[in-house]
Amino acid sequence: DADVTQTPRNRITKTGKRIMLECSQTKGHDRMYWYRQDPGLGLRLIYYSFDVKDINKGEISDGYSVSRQAQAKFSLSLESAIPNQTALYFCATSAVGGTGELFFGEGSRLTVL
Amino acid sequence: ILNVEQSPQSLHVQEGDSTNFTCSFPSSNFYALHWYRWETAKSPEALFVMTLNGDEKKKGRISATLNTKEGYSYLYIKGSQPEDSATYLCASTGGTSYGKLTFGQGTILTVHP
Repeated sequence: DADVTQTPRNRITKTGKRIMLECSQTKGHDRMYWYRQDPGLGLRLIYYSFDVKDINKGEISDGYSVSRQAQAKFSLSLESAIPNQTALYFCATSAVGGTGELFFGEGSRLTVL
Repeated sequence: ILNVEQSPQSLHVQEGDSTNFTCSFPSSNFYALHWYRWETAKSPEALFVMTLNGDEKKKGRISATLNTKEGYSYLYIKGSQPEDSATYLCASTGGTSYGKLTFGQGTILTVHP
């Protein structure tokens, strides 16, 4: 089983619908992140959390919200999905200290029609 | 927000060719430079994390160098193989952004048999 698990892996939804992407990890890391990948733009940070009580906006947080339910769980919500939120979403974790290396989930492909 | 640039955007080489890509990043307040390999339908995985000026790291046929004073890193692949085909991502973090990586747009490498 993957150390960082994302659900769903694929989702097609309609404009205006609420969508939640879930991430859980078994690595015991305190830090968790949500990134969005669009072709030609690399990975862009949406939100990050350095521990259960810490939530921070990344560079593209508008239209998104997050919840850190536990050390192991970090969810991303789109309250009212729009077509330009169609993208591949990655959850990642990292340990405090050390190299800061990110460990990624397998990605959630979201299509908003 | 750090501005991390990668070149070229894409690269096609023949099996056996050696190749290299460039990652440039702001040199002020530098903390760490990461290289990730991302194969289609898989999660990005870390290749190297480098922090010191002049660092050189090697993993099999892949190596990387770091120049923090001028703000660039090179990734080299010696004797490319078709299984090296992937997107190579670099990311940098600096100053108070420790733990919050900014990614470049990636270099897509295709190795033809």
